[in-house]
Amino acid sequence: SQKIEQNSEALNIQEGKTATLTCNYTNYSPAYLQWYRQDPGRGPVFLLLIRENEKKKRKERLKVTFDTTLKQSLFHITASQPADSATYLCAPLGGDSSYKLIFGSGTRLLVRP
Amino acid sequence: GAVVSQHPSRVICKSGTSVKIECRSLDFQATTMFWYRQFPKQSLMLMATSNEGSKATYEQGVEKDKFLINHASLTLSTLTVTSAHPEDSSFYICSARVAGSYNSPLHFGNGTRLTVT
Repeated sequence: SQKIEQNSEALNIQEGKTATLTCNYTNYSPAYLQWYRQDPGRGPVFLLLIRENEKKKRKERLKVTFDTTLKQSLFHITASQPADSATYLCAPLGGDSSYKLIFGSGTRLLVRP
Repeated sequence: GAVVSQHPSRVICKSGTSVKIECRSLDFQATTMFWYRQFPKQSLMLMATSNEGSKATYEQGVEKDKFLINHASLTLSTLTVTSAHPEDSSFYICSARVAGSYNSPLHFGNGTRLTVT
């Protein structure tokens, strides 16, 4: 069955450092991968979409990579700030269930001032 | 742009009663809306896909007679939890995608915290 894995342990880093979050998927062949941010008690907010042929993409302090051979996406936040503290969710898209968005379990990021 | 409004944000009801949750796309049309459920410290679980003018498509294990979905217009979908029980207590979140491209981002409401006593 299709599986999306994100590190369930919280990532705790110092302000100013780069946060790196991992998303691994199995039994999937997504054409796209989306990343969202979710704050407690709120709905997720879209951050970035990367296509399978893009390999990497940047948006301000965010950088995403997409390795279809490893079946993995890495999400980086450079120069992290306490306001970046949230849960980050990945969602592969495309393939068999092309119109539905299934999310990984999310990784909680804590940025210490 | 692309705002999704969900109402109510919190509801407490007694066991056996029904609760209706509304999801509106305020500034765009959404032929498809999605309903998710989230338990504490867990990820979002897709419950069903709501299609304007037709029946919803439910995920495996989700009881369609318990979670009634109606998508009567291009800007409104409703989820009714019928005969609610304490195990239905959860955070319910709707989302919508701007019509046209299946890979465009989902826009989420801010969720409804349902507590069944």
